[in-house]
Amino acid sequence: DVKVTQSSRYLVKRTGEKVFLECVQDMDHENMFWYRQDPGLGLRLIYFSYDVKMKEKGDIPEGYSVSREKKERFSLILESASTNQTSMYLCASTLTGRRSGNTIYFGEGSWLTVV
Amino acid sequence: AQSVTQPDIHITVSEGASLELRCNYSYGATPYLFWYVQSPGQGLQLLLKYFSGDTLVQGIKGFEAEFKRSQSSFNLRKPSVHWSDAAEYFCAVGLVSGNTPLVFGKGTRLSVIA
Repeated sequence: DVKVTQSSRYLVKRTGEKVFLECVQDMDHENMFWYRQDPGLGLRLIYFSYDVKMKEKGDIPEGYSVSREKKERFSLILESASTNQTSMYLCASTLTGRRSGNTIYFGEGSWLTVV
Repeated sequence: AQSVTQPDIHITVSEGASLELRCNYSYGATPYLFWYVQSPGQGLQLLLKYFSGDTLVQGIKGFEAEFKRSQSSFNLRKPSVHWSDAAEYFCAVGLVSGNTPLVFGKGTRLSVIA
């Protein structure tokens, strides 16, 4: 089974802190994604990556950056955390092209509270 | 632009009753269609997916969904709901060619009462 692991399930950070959310997948997937989930808004795509050192902005990239130095790891960075970034963050991965059928596998989520 | 609409924000059903969750999509090409379920505090789990062929798709936990191209719909159904089905359900669409991130609906929260 595919496993997507988000290292931190629950975090509490102070406004202005730099925050790292780490995600690792173990199935050699090319594509990795970071979503944000808020009540009533569903899942919104922050950033995604098709390959090592590549990144693409999603729908809500403002206030975030990402890093993909290794294929299996995709990090989400909040350079200066703000209270409006309090949310559930979901990492996901998938293969490229028709092999994947676009089936996306999710981690269990990271709950971030910014105070 | 592609979009997914789940018209029902919250549905309550009695245990043992049938269930239908609605999903409509707007997409310029032949889509892949998915339903995911999320239990409280957890990530998303794939229930079922449609790529091509038979328009009635069977999934895990006794769920099924039917693709209706003429209605741009992919509704999720279950004949008899169990209390453990209480969760949030997301419909999603993607391109057949792959590589493009899925577009998700905003979700439908299902409550199950005795």
